[in-house]
Amino acid sequence: DADVTQTPRNRITKTGKRIMLECSQTKGHDRMYWYRQDPGLGLRLIYYSFDVKDINKGEISDGYSVSRQAQAKFSLSLESAIPNQTALYFCATSDWGGSTDTQYFGPGTRLTVL
Amino acid sequence: EDQVTQSPEALRLQEGESSSLNCSYTVSGLRGLFWYRQDPGKGPEFLFTLYSAGEEKEKERLKATLTKKESFLHITAPKPEDSATYLCAVQADQAGTALIFGKGTTLSVSS
Repeated sequence: DADVTQTPRNRITKTGKRIMLECSQTKGHDRMYWYRQDPGLGLRLIYYSFDVKDINKGEISDGYSVSRQAQAKFSLSLESAIPNQTALYFCATSDWGGSTDTQYFGPGTRLTVL
Repeated sequence: EDQVTQSPEALRLQEGESSSLNCSYTVSGLRGLFWYRQDPGKGPEFLFTLYSAGEEKEKERLKATLTKKESFLHITAPKPEDSATYLCAVQADQAGTALIFGKGTTLSVSS
């Protein structure tokens, strides 16, 4: 079984709709992240969480919100989806190693906003 | 400003033709440099972490090296299954845990 799972894997929605992307992990890591990937722009950080009570904005948090329901679950919400939020979304987890931490990625969610 | 630049953007090789991918970085203080492999429509798969200049790591046909300004991913005698996009990312001291990614090099290996 995969260590980091994301649901749904594909989603098509309409402008103005609220949607939620979910991430679950069985790696036992405290830290979780949400990224988006756009062609030509690479991966960009949206939000990250060091533990259930610690949530931080990343580079491109406008238009998004997150919820850390448990150590193993981290959800990303688009309050009112717009077409330029069409992208691949990845969840990642990491475990602080004292000097740096390696991030492990889920399989991604392909989101299309019409 | 911290940034990562990968070159070339795309690379086509014949099976068995060795080559290198480049990752140049500018950071205030390097905490770690990461290499990932990404197949189309899938999440990045972790390959290596390098921490200090002079460090090298190997995995099968891949070898990553690090200097104070850049990292190389050397691919020896590649096979078609090595075809993928290779991503480089850095973790800088002042950026906390955030990874700064390059845009990737897309490698195609033909038989």
